[in-house]
Amino acid sequence: SYELTQPPSVSVSPGQTASITCSGDILDDKYACWYQRKPGQSPVLVIYRDTKRPSGVPERFSGSNSGNTATLTISGTQTMDEADYYCQAWDSTTVVFGGGTKLTVL
Amino acid sequence: QVQLQESGPGLVKPSQTLSLTCTVSGGSISSGTYYWSWIRQPAGKGLEWIGLIHTSGSTNYNPSLKSRVTISVDTSKNQFSLKLNSVTAADTAVYYCARAPPLLSAFDIWGQGTMVTVSS
Repeated sequence: SYELTQPPSVSVSPGQTASITCSGDILDDKYACWYQRKPGQSPVLVIYRDTKRPSGVPERFSGSNSGNTATLTISGTQTMDEADYYCQAWDSTTVVFGGGTKLTVL
Repeated sequence: QVQLQESGPGLVKPSQTLSLTCTVSGGSISSGTYYWSWIRQPAGKGLEWIGLIHTSGSTNYNPSLKSRVTISVDTSKNQFSLKLNSVTAADTAVYYCARAPPLLSAFDIWGQGTMVTVSS
């Protein structure tokens, strides 16, 4: 079965750039998307179709997908961005999530 | 604006069937083309996709759960439902329903989630 691999944790200082990776076999043949999940809240879509940002998501969130790796980049990271982030892709007609990355802003 | 709301028992006994319903408000479940899905998250773990039903009625399930899962839709009530049978403690999780427009290839609307505990 298809798998997506994320680092368990990433740390960043406020105002700096955070990069969270998601690896999967020939991932750039698929569309990757990203969700932000804060404690006690439902996941929120922040990037879809590799690079697109839903209405209302700050411009500091961006995405890319090349080769086997999709990347979520948060520029000028703010303390409010501290959360768990999950990548997701479709493998044919099934959905696969990465294991999640805890982003710590300190 | 479309909203999703999960409902169902918060406690299920081992070996029994977990049944949840997702009510769609602010729009018709049968209008447009969407995937309506169930996703869960055990405490301290990541998101796990359970399965989906397309507006057309076709279904797809997580291969690891396929033998125990049924997702159906009731257009008259604007709801879709999850049944997971032969549950064990490993099925204890927060269960979410979510919507995915095919053009987005992503889940753009999520319910608030409902906690289901499997215990005797």
